[in-house]
Amino acid sequence: EVQLVQSGAEVKKPGESLKISCKASGYIFTRNWIGWVRQIPGKGLEWMGNIYPGDSDTRYSPSFQGQVTISADKSITTAYLQWSSLKASDTAIYYCARRDRDTPMDDYWGQGTLVTVSS
Amino acid sequence: NFVLTQPHSVSESPGKTVTITCTASGGSIGSNYVQWYQQRPGSAPTCVIYEDNERPSGVPDRFSGSIDSSSNTASLTISGLKTADEADYYCQSSDGTNRVFGGGTKLAVL
Repeated sequence: EVQLVQSGAEVKKPGESLKISCKASGYIFTRNWIGWVRQIPGKGLEWMGNIYPGDSDTRYSPSFQGQVTISADKSITTAYLQWSSLKASDTAIYYCARRDRDTPMDDYWGQGTLVTVSS
Repeated sequence: NFVLTQPHSVSESPGKTVTITCTASGGSIGSNYVQWYQQRPGSAPTCVIYEDNERPSGVPDRFSGSIDSSSNTASLTISGLKTADEADYYCQSSDGTNRVFGGGTKLAVL
């Protein structure tokens, strides 16, 4: 059974760094793109970027380029989203999602990680 | 830049049919496939339509998708509405490099 299990909720202060994770299981991790999606509370979905763990090819939405870093560790089948300096405007739920190998569908999603940035 | 625009909200009665639109600007809706996701409150999204009009396994045939190139619009149609269909619906496509979501449509079934 395919599962994406994300790390728990975080409360951080502005300027702090953070790395959240998405642990994949039930499939060959290196064969599917994994993306990250932001959802500010009460707002819509925003695609941030994705990574192909097989070769670490990474794409970023122009809106998030330079603001976050997406990475993956094949040895522990885990994808990451990290910030070097958080802002209050980064407060949101972050979802990871696996893209199906043969279609553009994001077929499995993590449960979401709530990141709260507040002084 | 490629933008997908959806109505903020739609409402319809149980048993009726509703159509949610997704209009592209800054590119052609037909250039890349469109997906539709359903998101219930407090839950992660799930795909109900992929590749414009295909249903993932487990999604009832009450859900259908279409593309109208003349109006640069994708549509999600839900027939035989049930109260369980009440959710936010998002279209998703690509500008060729990056994936893009529409702003989302809140469907009320009342």
